[in-house]
Amino acid sequence: NAGVTQTPKFQVLKTGQSMTLQCAQDMNHEYMSWYRQDPGMGLRLIHYSVGAGITDQGEVPNGYNVSRSTTEDFPLRLLSAAPSQTSVYFCASSPLNSGGGSYEQYFGPGTRLTVT
Amino acid sequence: GDSVTQMEGPVTLSEEAFLTINCTYTATGYPSLFWYVQYPGEGLQLLLKATKADDKGSNKGFEATYRKETTSFHLEKGSVQVSDSAVYFCALTLNTGTASKLTFGTGTRLQVTL
Repeated sequence: NAGVTQTPKFQVLKTGQSMTLQCAQDMNHEYMSWYRQDPGMGLRLIHYSVGAGITDQGEVPNGYNVSRSTTEDFPLRLLSAAPSQTSVYFCASSPLNSGGGSYEQYFGPGTRLTVT
Repeated sequence: GDSVTQMEGPVTLSEEAFLTINCTYTATGYPSLFWYVQYPGEGLQLLLKATKADDKGSNKGFEATYRKETTSFHLEKGSVQVSDSAVYFCALTLNTGTASKLTFGTGTRLQVTL
């Protein structure tokens, strides 16, 4: 059972370049999300999805696009990279909240992105 | 909006010392509360959780009690080990809707020495 996988582990981009961070899970989870982790700021939600074909914005969505064509995959696209997007990116998944409690979110190992 | 406030780190302790990491929250509804741990070079993993007031979450010797009256969820461990060195995140999610969006604190780095 692989859980949540992310590729690549490391990436260096030049300002203005575009790229896609990949995220996949094999637990049949409906809910998937992307966070960025910056020093002194914890993790902040970028985008999330409650199922195939459904996505929504989180706290810091600007400069990022997502789509969800399958339950398993939730790629994050940087349209035109900027130095402010230098960060560590984590993908997470969980079952949908059935109300009255919340499920554990499972995190991938992260992608460390540097934009020069 | 919803927010989580954690004590500033780093926290440096000797092995077998008592640990407390403070966490308080602000939320419009009735949240579930979590502690996640991040070991060096890894992603986050759930340490413990509590879904309603007065619940106590526990795992690997760590404990935290959901205190609604003080809006707190402090993490404690009676005797820390070097292997507990990591960054600890307090987080909340509201029990409404189907999307379990987490709001995180800034994290507290714990360093345990021999």
